[in-house]
Amino acid sequence: DIQMTQSPSFLSASVGDRVTITCRASQSINSYLNWYQQKPGKAPKLLIYAASSLQSGVPSRFSGSRSGTDFTLTINSLQPEDFGTFYCQQSYSAPRTFGQGTMVEI
Amino acid sequence: EVQLLESGGGLVQPGGSLRLSCAASGFTFSSYAMSWVRQAPGKGLEWVSGMSSSGGSTDYADSVKGRFTISRDNSKNTLYLQMNSLRAEDTAVFYCAKSPLAPGGTDRYGMDVWGQGTTVTVSS
Repeated sequence: DIQMTQSPSFLSASVGDRVTITCRASQSINSYLNWYQQKPGKAPKLLIYAASSLQSGVPSRFSGSRSGTDFTLTINSLQPEDFGTFYCQQSYSAPRTFGQGTMVEI
Repeated sequence: EVQLLESGGGLVQPGGSLRLSCAASGFTFSSYAMSWVRQAPGKGLEWVSGMSSSGGSTDYADSVKGRFTISRDNSKNTLYLQMNSLRAEDTAVFYCAKSPLAPGGTDRYGMDVWGQGTTVTVSS
């Protein structure tokens, strides 16, 4: 199975900050990497698919990139509503796997 | 409005069975891959199972393989998860999720619509 390793596990940032979350795959997954945001008690929300494609309706301050098996989610100019836990997920092969999550506190 | 509504969760004893349902509305159900994802209390997301739009391809997490079965009835716009031989570690909120259109009717582009979740508790 492909392991997805996220870092950091927790980060605290301020409104207006630029935040970066990293996800590393244990083997090549091409660009089949998705990012989600989950707020407490709610279902996850798709932010980025295929490593760098912005999901419809998601603010442009969210962006994704890939370098080999390393993937990055960047939030430019962090907003109060951007708190929550962020997960990466590979959709290259079964079983699909999620990273362990990054909790963002504002 | 695109919507997914899960049902069928509840309290079950270890070794028991449950069948979860996910009723879809607001989109052409038969055109999209569907998945089940769970979240144990205080834990992260765990992908459980997925099925292609046609139903011809299914996959499972190692932790549920041989115990859980995913299925869909495109005539009823409903996704199912039959769960047998349940264990305490299966206790979780189970989410049904739809994938965006992708080649081969797969879930390559993630999961863009999620239900509200249904809670499964396995305990004696």
